[in-house]
Amino acid sequence: RKEVEQDPGPFNVPEGATVAFNCTYSNSASQSFFWYRQDCRKEPKLLMSVYSSGNEDGRFTAQLNRASQYISLLIRDSKLSDSATYLCVVNAGANNLFFGTGTRLTVIP
Amino acid sequence: NAGVTQTPKFQVLKTGQSMTLQCAQDMNHNSMYWYRQDPGMGLRLIYYSASEGTTDKGEVPNGYNVSRLNKREFSLRLESAAPSQTSVYFCASSDILGQGKLFFGSGTQLSVL
Repeated sequence: RKEVEQDPGPFNVPEGATVAFNCTYSNSASQSFFWYRQDCRKEPKLLMSVYSSGNEDGRFTAQLNRASQYISLLIRDSKLSDSATYLCVVNAGANNLFFGTGTRLTVIP
Repeated sequence: NAGVTQTPKFQVLKTGQSMTLQCAQDMNHNSMYWYRQDPGMGLRLIYYSASEGTTDKGEVPNGYNVSRLNKREFSLRLESAAPSQTSVYFCASSDILGQGKLFFGSGTQLSVL
C-alpha cells in the first residue's frame, strides 16, 4: 500500500466552480501535512500547510481528518491560473516525507 | 533572492557516461535534498544532507553519490548512467530537516540513452 494516495484526475472544472481534492495516508503516526502546487514542467511549490484545526488562505481551504486519515484541499471560485497539479505531502516523522503522485486540475474558460 | 539554483536544466547522456548535477541555495538553509520525479510516481528521495558535512541515503540511492560541499552547495553525481536513471531531478532545501516546507530548484530533465 502506498504511503500517500491521490486521485490523479484530471479534474476539469469551469471558471468560478468549487473543486475539492482528497489525499489519504497510511501511517497513523504522521505528524504534519502539506499541499504543494506544481505547474507543468516546473518545480513544486508549497501552497499551504494543513493544521489539525483546518486552515484557510483566500480561496483555498485545507482540512485534516485524522480519524479517517485523509487531508483535503478545497478551491473556491476557480481561476484559470489555478490549473496545475496539486501534490499532497505527508511527514511521517524522522525525515520520512512522502509525496503523493498529484491531482491534475484544469480550469476551463 | 535566487532561492535554489540547479544546473543544468537539460542533459542527454549515453549509457555509462558520468555527470554531476549542481545545486546551490542562498537561504542559509541547513538541510538539502535530491529527489527524482517519474511519471505516475511521487517524488522519491535519493539522498539528503541534514547539515553541512553530513549526507544520508534516501529511498532510491543506488547509482548515485552526493557531496555537501559547504552549507550552500549539494551536488549529485551519476558515475555510470543507466536508462533507468532517465528522470526529472529536483534539488530542494529546508531550514529544518524533514519539516515538509521545502524550496525546490527548477529541475533537471535527464535522458539516458
